[in-house]
Amino acid sequence: SSDLTQDPAVSVALGQTVRITCQGDSLRNYYASWYRQKPGQAPVLVMYGKYIRPSGIPDRFSGSSSRNTASLTITGAQADDEGDYYCHSRDTTENHVVFGGGTKVTVL
Amino acid sequence: QVRLVESGGTLVKPGGSLRLSCTASGFTFSDYYMSWIRQAPGKGLEWISHIPTSGNSIYYADSVKGRFTISRDNAKNSLTLQMSSLRAEDTAVYYCARERDCGHDCFYPYWYYDLWGRGTLVTVSS
Repeated sequence: SSDLTQDPAVSVALGQTVRITCQGDSLRNYYASWYRQKPGQAPVLVMYGKYIRPSGIPDRFSGSSSRNTASLTITGAQADDEGDYYCHSRDTTENHVVFGGGTKVTVL
Repeated sequence: QVRLVESGGTLVKPGGSLRLSCTASGFTFSDYYMSWIRQAPGKGLEWISHIPTSGNSIYYADSVKGRFTISRDNAKNSLTLQMSSLRAEDTAVYYCARERDCGHDCFYPYWYYDLWGRGTLVTVSS
């Protein structure tokens, strides 16, 4: 299967915790990567592999996974965390790249 | 400075052709898989194609297979996307991105794009 499924939108109060999920068959065997995209900008990597944060990504971002679902959690959400979040992996053949449909995160 | 810069996006008529380029700098281009990824207005990310370091084992999304061709020139640090038989639904910002993976002997593989260009806009319209 090649699909990764994300909830379209989620909101979180400033300083609270929000979890974004990504479901797909390939995630049973592969880790997902996560990107944040702000309007008019290119995506930025925020998590990859076994919950690795790139340099510059704050430690309020964490990752987890269970069965066919990968999750990205923001603990203590800040206004700057707003944006569209996409998960990414490959399909079960490993030949094609797949992205989730994206989750719009709004910080209230 | 490590960066990717796309160019070539413009307005083109349906059925037309266009060639996009991505120039890499600040890193050893030939060491990395590269991808083209697009984003239609108001939509999500869609992977188009990727090419390994040597240029073989190329794969395409079904939506562009047979119409788009990816290639690379490692000597010129350049990635190219040749697009033909363009359709209105090909209208999008096209990004090139550097792909990395977990390396050899991963128990659970993973892949990630750690470097993106700013994108170039392709508009297909009469």
